[in-house]
Amino acid sequence: GAVVSQHPSWVICKSGTSVKIECRSLDFQATTMFWYRQFPKQSLMLMATSNEGSKATYEQGVEKDKFLINHASLTLSTLTVTSAHPEDSSFYICSARDTAGWGNEQFFGPGTRLTVL
Amino acid sequence: QKEVEQDPGPLSVPEGAIVSLNCTYSNSAFQYFMWYRQYSRKGPELLMYTYSSGNKEDGRFTAQVDKSSKYISLFIRDSQPSDSATYLCAMSSNSGYALNFGKGTSLLVTP
Repeated sequence: GAVVSQHPSWVICKSGTSVKIECRSLDFQATTMFWYRQFPKQSLMLMATSNEGSKATYEQGVEKDKFLINHASLTLSTLTVTSAHPEDSSFYICSARDTAGWGNEQFFGPGTRLTVL
Repeated sequence: QKEVEQDPGPLSVPEGAIVSLNCTYSNSAFQYFMWYRQYSRKGPELLMYTYSSGNKEDGRFTAQVDKSSKYISLFIRDSQPSDSATYLCAMSSNSGYALNFGKGTSLLVTP
């Protein structure tokens, strides 16, 4: 149980284009999902907290108009990187908190590697 | 001062050794403590989860939390080459809150 999937697992795009990344909780409902970014040999940096049916909460320094988050259902959150540039190239990882779970366990997806040319 | 401090290593041990991984933190409000294992180019995998102080054991893994010292540990017994990965500690103050991660410790278990 507690499986989180991400799609795509990797994507290469041209500068200026938009990329959408999906995060799904496969066997549980997730009221809250989180989006992280991780650069090589660095820890995870929280970008935003996504709550089902409401606007995402962004961390300081993260442009909400550039990183659009939609959490339309209890099993799906999407992150759209708009007008991507090479500096947006990174490993994007989502996590989901089990609504029915005890405490604050978060389960992570396998990540999406984004390369912007 | 960062809220969660973790030695990045790398830590290299021979197969079968006992591994000790640690994190310190500064926020006394943290109550939920987790250890994740992350293989290269993969998402983190939840290993251990504890609430408040105390010990928790699961197979070869033991997690300890000492809130009075703001110090948490993960012990791996009979380490295996497959344990080679980066280990991240994470913690939060309340249920549903985002996690605060350490930088991760890179572990290499040599045959």
